[in-house]
Amino acid sequence: DTEVTQTPKHLVMGMTNKKSLKCEQHMGHRAMYWYKQKAKKPPELMFVYSYEKLSINESVPSRFSPECPNSSLLNLHLHALQPEDSALYLCASSQDDSGNTIYFGEGSWLTVV
Amino acid sequence: KNEVEQSPQNLTAQEGEFITINCSYSVGISALHWLQQHPGGGIVSLFMLSSGKKKHGRLIATINIQEKHSSLHITASHPRDSAVYICAVIAGFGNEKLTFGTGTRLTIIP
Repeated sequence: DTEVTQTPKHLVMGMTNKKSLKCEQHMGHRAMYWYKQKAKKPPELMFVYSYEKLSINESVPSRFSPECPNSSLLNLHLHALQPEDSALYLCASSQDDSGNTIYFGEGSWLTVV
Repeated sequence: KNEVEQSPQNLTAQEGEFITINCSYSVGISALHWLQQHPGGGIVSLFMLSSGKKKHGRLIATINIQEKHSSLHITASHPRDSAVYICAVIAGFGNEKLTFGTGTRLTIIP
């Protein structure tokens, strides 16, 4: 199983809503990542979890809150988002955080209205 | 100037043509990834290179560490190869951050 599974694939939410994006992998990977990608731009790193601990936060606004409940799961909690936060949110994982092959999920398309 | 530059930005070719996409980077790296992204969004890692050359099916990736340059080649291109191809590097060692190029949009015409 070399899959990173993301749910939901599409999400439309209002600016006052609270929602979550979920990511799951069963490859035994110990590093997991959240990226944000706007149209026709490369992905931008948001967060890195290494061995279930947050190791990198790229100065992401607090309306985005990551959570790593266990080594297979990574969540991104969303609250009070802005329309400019509409983007493709990609989850990825790798064996560890020292430069291994990285596996991406299909992404969650988020629209904030 | 971006740390990772790709060329061309857009490439349209006829089915069957040999395709080359180039990536140049300005920082020391521990590894370089070639990634493929289809319009649906998901990204697939094609290769991870730290030296030399790798081949998988019709895809070949090479890297020249001294020249800070990598190429992705596609032989006998097919319309299903149409996608955005992204070069991404891991700068330094013990560093999990990918630095992405801006991507090359490839369109293969039947």
